[in-house]
Amino acid sequence: GAVVSQHPSWVICKSGTSVKIECRSLDFQATTMFWYRQFPKQSLMLMATSNEGSKATYEQGVEKDKFLINHASLTLSTLTVTSAHPEDSSFYICSVRTGGLFEQYFGPGTRLTVT
Amino acid sequence: GNSVTQMEGPVTLSEEAFLTINCTYTATGYPSLFWYVQYPGEGLQLLLKATKADDKGSNKGFEATYRKETTSFHLEKGSVQVSDSAVYFCALSDSAGDDKIIFGKGTRLHILP
Repeated sequence: GAVVSQHPSWVICKSGTSVKIECRSLDFQATTMFWYRQFPKQSLMLMATSNEGSKATYEQGVEKDKFLINHASLTLSTLTVTSAHPEDSSFYICSVRTGGLFEQYFGPGTRLTVT
Repeated sequence: GNSVTQMEGPVTLSEEAFLTINCTYTATGYPSLFWYVQYPGEGLQLLLKATKADDKGSNKGFEATYRKETTSFHLEKGSVQVSDSAVYFCALSDSAGDDKIIFGKGTRLHILP
């Protein structure tokens, strides 16, 4: 399977600032990556599908101008939370699709705290 | 819409105890069902899967059977180990084939030595 890393693992930022989270596929060239959000004691919610070389596809209710996704290469996708607010505090997880439906490999997640 | 409901944790058991984590689902069509596990500090890993009714997924001593009549996919293990301590997520994908996975809230499992 694919090895997926995320950076940073934990970030604290002030309200109104922007923060970038990186998702890297270390051993697989991923044309498709997924971004999820997880609130405490809640499910993982799919935010968007990131496609290399094209615009991301956002799920209903996710603000594309607030959560900017850039999939610039086959090994890197970034999620930028713009003008962060305390309600954006959450656990963000990315995954890489390597093949068929079942072949998704997940990163360890990034915990964002907005003060 | 599609959804997954799993028992709330944390679940605390002694080593070698029998484990059941309940999972039920709501879906249109014929979803595939999964259990994922997240060990401390690591990403989610696919533990087992079942793609049609009456299929049994199994891995590392864990089993789950796709029960369409009860819309359930309960996770079981006959004798748990301390190393099984983790968070377990039940999940489904709809039949649209668009790779979207819908997760339950997760159940944290603590195994005491």
